[in-house]
Amino acid sequence: DAGVIQSPRHEVTEMGQEVTLRCKPISGHDYLFWYRQTMMRGLELLIYFNNNVPIDDSGMPEDRFSAKMPNASFSTLKIQPSEPRDSAVYFCASRREGDQPQHFGDGTRLSIL
Amino acid sequence: EDQVTQSPEALRLQEGESSSLNCSYTVSGLRGLFWYRQDPGKGPEFLFTLYSAGEEKEKERLKATLTKKESFLHITAPKPEDSATYLCAVRGAGGGNKLTFGTGTQLKVEL
Repeated sequence: DAGVIQSPRHEVTEMGQEVTLRCKPISGHDYLFWYRQTMMRGLELLIYFNNNVPIDDSGMPEDRFSAKMPNASFSTLKIQPSEPRDSAVYFCASRREGDQPQHFGDGTRLSIL
Repeated sequence: EDQVTQSPEALRLQEGESSSLNCSYTVSGLRGLFWYRQDPGKGPEFLFTLYSAGEEKEKERLKATLTKKESFLHITAPKPEDSATYLCAVRGAGGGNKLTFGTGTQLKVEL
């Protein structure tokens, strides 16, 4: 089975620009999670979806962040406008229903100049 | 609020030198404790899930154990390819489907 696929792998952009990160979960997985990883704070959950519906977005830092899941095979995380403090590695993960582990993609390394 | 603390932050071992990594946690109603391995530039890779005190899981040179307050990841006769950051996470009854991660132990195994 193909794993979780994220794109782009690296993104460098200037402050104020819109950034869109993309994720394709593992086929058949019902849950999709977006995380942010930094040296200072480690892995932090931003938002998760169940059957394409956002369930908990309490980790989304500000209104500048938004996430969508238009169908079972695609999700986006958007930052508009971007700021240098948004620089981090963003991971997407998915899992099946029940007490199953989450499986992670290889992340998008985002640098905001 | 669920909390996870991992120690040590970094560990350097010689090949063949066994050791243990610690994960201390506080959670209301444990629904699972997870160990992941993360290589540089990669996403976390799932290793084990433990659900109740006394449970143990093994995979090659790794063995995970669980008590009511902590989990240990024992590494027996490590090899250089075991070098990675090891992450611990918990899922609590009050957190829905959320995992709370520790900041990890960075392990380096030298020849």
